[in-house]
Amino acid sequence: DAKTTQPNSMESNEEEPVHLPCNHSTISGTDYIHWYRQLPSQGPEYVIHGLTSNVNNRMASLAIAEDRKSSTLILHRATLRDAAVYYCISYGPYGSTGNQFYFGTGTSLTVIP
Amino acid sequence: DSGVTQTPKHLITATGQRVTLRCSPRSGDLSVYWYQQSLDQGLQFLIQYYNGEERAKGNILERFSAQQFPDLHSELNLSSLELGDSALYFCASSVGTPGNTIYFGEGSWLTVV
Repeated sequence: DAKTTQPNSMESNEEEPVHLPCNHSTISGTDYIHWYRQLPSQGPEYVIHGLTSNVNNRMASLAIAEDRKSSTLILHRATLRDAAVYYCISYGPYGSTGNQFYFGTGTSLTVIP
Repeated sequence: DSGVTQTPKHLITATGQRVTLRCSPRSGDLSVYWYQQSLDQGLQFLIQYYNGEERAKGNILERFSAQQFPDLHSELNLSSLELGDSALYFCASSVGTPGNTIYFGEGSWLTVV
């Protein structure tokens, strides 16, 4: 059972901002929201994670809805190197129902030059 | 370089055989995760260990087993191999709590012929 729902694919023009949505309507209060991305034949790469507040790092920003049922990964200026499959994952503490670091189908991002 | 080391990088073996994949986690990480990714498929969570004990179990076949040793390295054993077991197997490690980053290795390519 998918714990998160993401669009299968999205396109963005190079140097434009990209907003990747994720629904996690069954998330519990102790589950963190993680975002990873993967290039073909490479291991997933950490992008960002958060619990309740919006988060920023050098790669991206994470906007978490007030009810925590959805979040959005924001790439401020897409580059060709950002073309990848992006995964949104909800992950909870040991003993909770969300204890598996489970990858869904992700969103395949295409960046158009 | 994520700091997670997987060996071997490539392995070709025949059906019915048994192989062992090895993972050395990042220094200080107590938790190890294993994933399987078949060609053009998503990342399937297999199993997670924390400080030597099984923490979470995913879609791991009975022919597969894993363990984490006292020095925290982990091994994934695949037996009675079938053609369908051909895949990229990823190991990841983290401190072990949901609020921490999970780092992935480069994977072990297994080809069953």
